[in-house]
Amino acid sequence: EVQVVESGGGLVQPGRSLRLSCAASGFTFDDYAMHWVRQAPGKGLEWVSSISWNSGTIVYAESVKGRFTISRDNAKNLVYLQMNSLRSDDTALYYCARMDDRIAARPFDYWGQGTRVTVSS
Amino acid sequence: DIQMTQSPSSLSASVGDRVTITCRASQFISSYLNWYQQKPGKVPELLIHSASSLQSGVPSRFSGSGSGTDFTLTISSLQPEDFATYFCQQTYRTSFTFGPGTKVDIK
Repeated sequence: EVQVVESGGGLVQPGRSLRLSCAASGFTFDDYAMHWVRQAPGKGLEWVSSISWNSGTIVYAESVKGRFTISRDNAKNLVYLQMNSLRSDDTALYYCARMDDRIAARPFDYWGQGTRVTVSS
Repeated sequence: DIQMTQSPSSLSASVGDRVTITCRASQFISSYLNWYQQKPGKVPELLIHSASSLQSGVPSRFSGSGSGTDFTLTISSLQPEDFATYFCQQTYRTSFTFGPGTKVDIK
């Protein structure tokens, strides 16, 4: 069974850092690109960042570029999101999602339950 | 960046109704369009990929159509478990933009 489990969220002060982790199981992890998507309270979905299977292609949303860093450890089936210089508008539920790029339209076919990040003084 | 819009932003419908949701991209995205369903407090779930391909396990009352810039999600006969918010997403460019969502609730 495919599973994606996020962790590392919490309450953090503005300007501080936090690292999120995403543990994957039930599939060949290094066959898939992985993404982070966030959802602010009562709002829609916002794509944050993606990393290809071999970390060769990494992309960020403009809203987090220069502050967030995505990485992965294929030996441990883990994806990370290092979040620095956090702002109040980074407050959201952060989802980790698998992208199925065997399909041309590259849908996000499995999502974790999310980890909540609250940025507040 | 490619911008995605959806209409309506919300709708009220009854069980058994036919429901249509529209998604429009700000530029050409071919068929690189996916639809997700999110129930309150739950994780988004993939419904349709490639504009019209039903994800495994999704009921056949859901269907998608369109290409280029204009897309449609149709629920042929709304069921109680379909009351949710629906998001479209483009994957043509790596901004992977989501639409703002369409909330379907009970009339």
